[in-house]
Amino acid sequence: GQNIDQPTEMTATEGAIVQINCTYQTSGFNGLFWYQQHAGEAPTFLSYNVLDGLEEKGRFSSFLSRSKGYSYLLLKELQMKDSASYLCALASISTDKLIFGTGTRLQVFP
Amino acid sequence: EPEVTQTPSHQVTQMGQEVILRCVPISNHLYFYWYRQILGQKVEFLVSFYNNEISEKSEIFDDQFSVERPDGSNFTLKIRSTKLEDSAMYFCASRPMNTEAFFGQGTRLTVV
Repeated sequence: GQNIDQPTEMTATEGAIVQINCTYQTSGFNGLFWYQQHAGEAPTFLSYNVLDGLEEKGRFSSFLSRSKGYSYLLLKELQMKDSASYLCALASISTDKLIFGTGTRLQVFP
Repeated sequence: EPEVTQTPSHQVTQMGQEVILRCVPISNHLYFYWYRQILGQKVEFLVSFYNNEISEKSEIFDDQFSVERPDGSNFTLKIRSTKLEDSAMYFCASRPMNTEAFFGQGTRLTVV
């Protein structure tokens, strides 16, 4: 089985930087994804790591360490619209289905 | 930009009835999925579909559920004998080879 753990809630200030962590226990996976989900809406893709290291996409970066079972999503220059849930998900080796963590609800304050 | 579309956006049904949730995946995608999200809970995998057949299903996806790709564009999820606990947001997703999955906007199913 796969266990994926994320903090339940985080708060941050507009303009700041926030790091959302994800730890997992699994026998293997194809890649690790980060999605953003606003309340009542669909998950939208943010970032994807296959190999260890940092992937940067504008204000969002994601890091993966397979040996440590650990990933993080880094959000820079926070904006109010970044208030949402951030979902860490592992893609299975067989069918690439996504197994999601519980998500981290981020609230950005002025 | 191509997108996954789902209909209806909302569905209210009486307990015991059958519902069909419809999805049109992005046209050149090869893999199709259904996920479910009960209010306030995490997104849960239901089933994956590839090459016109189910490639994997979760323990949630029992005999109450079925999927079909009746033509070249639609991908449907049928839920028979709905129960109160089937109330959830149902997301369809699709992807090509080796990239991220794209999600539809979801169908909010309410069983009363």
